[in-house]
Amino acid sequence: DAGVIQSPRHEVTEMGQEVTLRCKPISGHDYLFWYRQTMMRGLELLIYFNNNVPIDDSGMPEDRFSAKMPNASFSTLKIQPSEPRDSAVYFCASSARQGSTGELFFGEGSRLTVL
Amino acid sequence: GENVEQHPSTLSVQEGDSAVIKCTYSDSASNYFPWYKQELGKGPQLIIDIRSNVGEKKDQRIAVTLNKTAKHFSLHITETQPEDSAVYFCAASKGGGADGLTFGKGTHLIIQP
Repeated sequence: DAGVIQSPRHEVTEMGQEVTLRCKPISGHDYLFWYRQTMMRGLELLIYFNNNVPIDDSGMPEDRFSAKMPNASFSTLKIQPSEPRDSAVYFCASSARQGSTGELFFGEGSRLTVL
Repeated sequence: GENVEQHPSTLSVQEGDSAVIKCTYSDSASNYFPWYKQELGKGPQLIIDIRSNVGEKKDQRIAVTLNKTAKHFSLHITETQPEDSAVYFCAASKGGGADGLTFGKGTHLIIQP
């Protein structure tokens, strides 16, 4: 079975550019999460969706960050304009609540470097 | 909100020895405590979890213990092997699901040959 698929795996961009990260969750999962990982702050939850609806976006750093989930099989995280402090690994994860243990299935991450 | 503290940040043990990683949490209502392992270049993966109605759980060489009174839980790895080298994260949540998970900052476990 395919796991959570993220793209791109690596992105290098210049400050001020728009960055779009993409995620395809595991089929049948009704929760989707975006996390950011840095050495200093560890794994931070940015936003999560349930049945394509954003439930909690309190972790989104500021208005430069936005996330969408237009359907059950696709989500994007957009940063516009990007800044060097946005450099991090961004993970998408999905989970199924119905009859599940609450396990999060992570993608392999998108490593973003903003110069 | 929930706050999860994890120690140590780095742990180096000889192959074959045991490793223990400890976490404390702040919200007494938390009832679900998973542990995730992250290998280099990959996303974290669940290795074991425990719920607040259980004090200890084992799965082969790994075990997790929970002390609700003290609000701490620990991961124990026995007979460590090179493939155990990774970053380990503890987490806590209420409600038993993946939503609302708060992660610790991680422990880099190094297995010395």
